[in-house]
Amino acid sequence: AQSVTQPDIHITVSEGASLELRCNYSYGATPYLFWYVQSPGQGLQLLLKYFSGDTLVQGIKGFEAEFKRSQSSFNLRKPSVHWSDAAEYFCAVRNQAGTALIFGKGTTLSVSS
Amino acid sequence: DAGVTQSPTHLIKTRGQHVTLRCSPISGHKSVSWYQQVLGQGPQFIFQYYEKEERGRGNFPDRFSARQFPNYSSELNVNALLLGDSALYLCASSSGTTEGTEAFFGQGTRLTVV
Repeated sequence: AQSVTQPDIHITVSEGASLELRCNYSYGATPYLFWYVQSPGQGLQLLLKYFSGDTLVQGIKGFEAEFKRSQSSFNLRKPSVHWSDAAEYFCAVRNQAGTALIFGKGTTLSVSS
Repeated sequence: DAGVTQSPTHLIKTRGQHVTLRCSPISGHKSVSWYQQVLGQGPQFIFQYYEKEERGRGNFPDRFSARQFPNYSSELNVNALLLGDSALYLCASSSGTTEGTEAFFGQGTRLTVV
């Protein structure tokens, strides 16, 4: 069965420091992978997606993610974090039927000054 | 262009009652999906509708039902509410149903069951 694991429940990063959020997936074929961000009380906003091709994908707000098939990972990175990046981040994989997104439990990012 | 709109934004219901949540997709999108997000968890898939037909169903009891109208808007109905149904209900719309199709989410409806 498809699944997504986000090992880190909560991460605190200093403003201006780099960030990496981890995501591991379980999927039998070529995965369609997504990262979403959710601010408190809000819906989900798509940061970036991977379907095929270049394994390093660029997204909005300066985020990027790298797909590593050998490690079943799709980690999200940002070189310099801003206070406004504090939010909940979700990694997701589309199921094989194409009908649903399977989400991880999320990582809460706090940014310290 | 308007994004995905959901109504109401918040509501409080009593155990055993029924609730209807509404979603209007992005103009031109024919697929609507519903997700339940319990506090501290990731969203869980409930239903997908495309062209007014159910295309996918998650692991939820029969108390949950949905439908899609000719204008592609959708309703999610929950009967015999339980305390555990308290959650943020998210609607997502997309242009199609293929694996690579991007889903756009609404702000959600916060349901509290007391």
